[in-house]
Amino acid sequence: EDQVTQSPEALRLQEGESSSLNCSYTVSGLRGLFWYRQDPGKGPEFLFTLYSAGEEKEKERLKATLTKKESFLHITAPKPEDSATYLCAVQAPTNAGKSTFGDGTTLTVKP
Amino acid sequence: DARVTQTPRHKVTEMGQEVTMRCQPILGHNTVFWYRQTMMQGLELLAYFRNRAPLDDSGMPKDRFSAEMPDATLATLKIQPSEPRDSAVYFCASGPGPEAFFGQGTRLTVV
Repeated sequence: EDQVTQSPEALRLQEGESSSLNCSYTVSGLRGLFWYRQDPGKGPEFLFTLYSAGEEKEKERLKATLTKKESFLHITAPKPEDSATYLCAVQAPTNAGKSTFGDGTTLTVKP
Repeated sequence: DARVTQTPRHKVTEMGQEVTMRCQPILGHNTVFWYRQTMMQGLELLAYFRNRAPLDDSGMPKDRFSAEMPDATLATLKIQPSEPRDSAVYFCASGPGPEAFFGQGTRLTVV
């Protein structure tokens, strides 16, 4: 059974204080690993797809990296508007289309 | 700006009543997902379709839930009869590939 564990559950940062969120996964092969951002009262917003170990993707202050066992979402010099819950999900080739989500990390960035 | 549209946004109903949630996926996306989100269980995949054909509905309680795609512009999720434990936010998402683009959700409360 595919499993995704995200840590920490909650993270509080000061504006400008860089940090990383972790997503550990167990999957039978990896079709893709996905990062989403979710604001309160809204649906998750797609951020990145990573397909293979060593791959990196960047968007503004966010950079996602992937190894064979985990993914990191690095946040550089965060701003208050980066406050949200960040969700990680994986898909196995045998379950094409079916993503398993982690419980998320809730990030709060204080000005 | 293409987006997934869900109606209604909020629904309060009495136990035993039928509930129908509707979704208009993004034009051109051939995969449509229904997810349920609760504090306790996080995001759970209920069902998904590819090219309007149901691929997996193993996440749904079969006796009370049904999901259909009458045409490429409409997906529906029905609960009959509804129960208090069905209270949750229901998300529809669509995608051209493995990543999902989510709607704003339907917040269902069954009293």
